[in-house]
Order: sequence, then C-alpha cells, then structure tokens
Amino acid sequence: NAGVTQTPKFRILKIGQSMTLQCAQDMNHNYMYWYRQDPGMGLKLIYYSVGAGITDKGEVPNGYNVSRSTTEDFPLRLELAAPSQTSVYFCASSQGQGAGGYTFGSGTRLTVV
Amino acid sequence: QKEVEQNSGPLSVPEGAIASLNCTYSDRGSQSFFWYRQYSGKSPELIMSIYSNGDKEDGRFTAQLNKASQYVSLLIRDSQPSDSATYLCAGWGAAGNKLTFGGGTRVLVKP
Repeated sequence: NAGVTQTPKFRILKIGQSMTLQCAQDMNHNYMYWYRQDPGMGLKLIYYSVGAGITDKGEVPNGYNVSRSTTEDFPLRLELAAPSQTSVYFCASSQGQGAGGYTFGSGTRLTVV
Repeated sequence: QKEVEQNSGPLSVPEGAIASLNCTYSDRGSQSFFWYRQYSGKSPELIMSIYSNGDKEDGRFTAQLNKASQYVSLLIRDSQPSDSATYLCAGWGAAGNKLTFGGGTRVLVKP
C-alpha cells in the first residue's frame, strides 16, 4: 500500500516555465488537497477536491490550477512560474470528516530561479 | 483571525521531562482533532487523533480535548531528543470538507 505518492521530489524551474506536480493515492480517498509550505512557515491550502470532477480554491490559489478526473489522481499545474512559488508542496488525501485525518505525500521541493 | 491557534515556540524541554503543547480553536462546529509531527524537511505525520471530550493515551503521547473551552492539548511524556520537531494541531471545520491547521509549535528536547 503506497499511500500518497508525489512526483517529482525535487525540481528547479526557470521563471516563466510551467510544470505539473503529480499526486496519486491508492486508498480510494475521495478528498484530496494541495498545500504549500514556505521555510519556517505553516501549511497554506492551494486547492482541494472532495471527489472526481469537483475542485475548490483554498487560501492561495493564484498561479495554480488543478483537475480531478479520477479518484486516484490530483495533479497541480503551475503556469508561468515565479520566484514566489519557490516552496515545498505537499499533497494529502482523506476519507473525510469522521474517518480520520489526512495522509500526506512526501512532498515536492520546487525552486524557481 | 486564524481558526486554530498554537504558540509557535520553541518549547525547550529537558530530556525525560514532559512537553505540554496547547491549541485553541474558534469553530464550535469542529468535531475531531489531530496532532501531526513534522520533522524538518519532511511531511507531517499523524501521531494522535481525538474525537470526544477527555483524554486519549497512546504510548508516551496523551491528547486532551475540551470542547466547552475549545481547547486541545498534547502531552509528550519522557521526552526524547527524537521528539524534537514541529507539532501541528488540526481540526475538521464545521463544513467537514477540510482540516484547519494551526501554525505549529516547535519543540526542542535537550539531552
């Protein structure tokens, strides 16, 4: 049971480039989330999804896009990367309230230069 | 106003002592709460969950929940240097679609 798998683990992007951070879970969780965490700071919610075909904005959605075509996958797209998007990105999944907390992936460390 | 508040620390604790971490929340509709441990450079790891008022013990960890006072705490007994990490408090909001996280308390256990 792999849990939540994020790829890549590390990436360096140039300003203006685009990329997709991949997130997949094999626990049949309906709820999935993307967070970013800047050095020494807390988690900030970017986007979340409560099921396939449903996505919603979190606190800091600008500069990002998501899609949820399957229960298993929740990719995060960065368009026109900016230095302010340098951060560690965590994907998480959950069964929802009453069924426990989140399971987090191991994270993607992104640097935009 | 942040919905889940934690003292950012650092909380410095001698090895073998009890570390006491506190968390308050503003959403009275929150029903269940979680404590995550996050080592530097790693992802958060769930260490405790608590759903009803009172205490819940798991090994060296005890979580306490007081819904009337909107207060959650975590005690770490016999603290070890390996307990040095940031501890995040989180609760499901009334809407039930996402956790709200506190900013975390950094704990340093000194040998």
